[in-house]
Amino acid sequence: EAGVTQSPTHLIKTRGQQATLRCSPISGHTSVYWYQQALGLGLQFLLWYDEGEERNRGNFPPRFSGRQFPNYSSELNVNALELEDSALYLCASSPGLGDAEEQQYFGPGTRLTVT
Amino acid sequence: AQSVSQHNHHVILSEAASLELGCNYSYGGTVNLFWYVQYPGQHLQLLLKYFSGDPLVKGIKGFEAEFIKSKFSFNLRKPSVQWSDTAEYFCAVNGYNNNDMRFGAGTRLTVKP
Repeated sequence: EAGVTQSPTHLIKTRGQQATLRCSPISGHTSVYWYQQALGLGLQFLLWYDEGEERNRGNFPPRFSGRQFPNYSSELNVNALELEDSALYLCASSPGLGDAEEQQYFGPGTRLTVT
Repeated sequence: AQSVSQHNHHVILSEAASLELGCNYSYGGTVNLFWYVQYPGQHLQLLLKYFSGDPLVKGIKGFEAEFIKSKFSFNLRKPSVQWSDTAEYFCAVNGYNNNDMRFGAGTRLTVKP
């Protein structure tokens, strides 16, 4: 069974540009989560999608947005990039909506560097 | 929303030493608790989880954690660590109904051979 995949592996952008990160969940999983892992800050919850809808978002400004496609893959968009957006962005998936007992399965991450 | 604090940023142990990593959470309702581990160069993966029943939970690779509701704690333990346990460990809490996983800042464990 293929795990969660993310692309690209690395992304280098300049301040003010937009970044698009992509995630494919495990087959059969409908929930996708995005996290930011900045140095020394652990994982910060960004967004949760299920069945194509945004279900919850963390404490991030609106320039962090995303969507989930009918095949449950997802993309995260970061507009007007700032230097402090440099981080590892992790995507995770889980089987379904509202089952908080389910573990999340993580992808390898996309390393975003903003210069 | 819930929050998680991990007390130790970096722990250094010798092989065969005992390990306890602290985790405290803040949440007013029923919670599900997790410990994830990230080995060097690998994905985050689940070590163990608690959602109900016996508060002493056993996970993979000899790890266990104890949920103490009165202390809002979910500390991770291992009686005898190995060099291969060198990794970063994250405690996480998910509110029962909101599926809004919050992670602690992580504890980096270095085990000296």
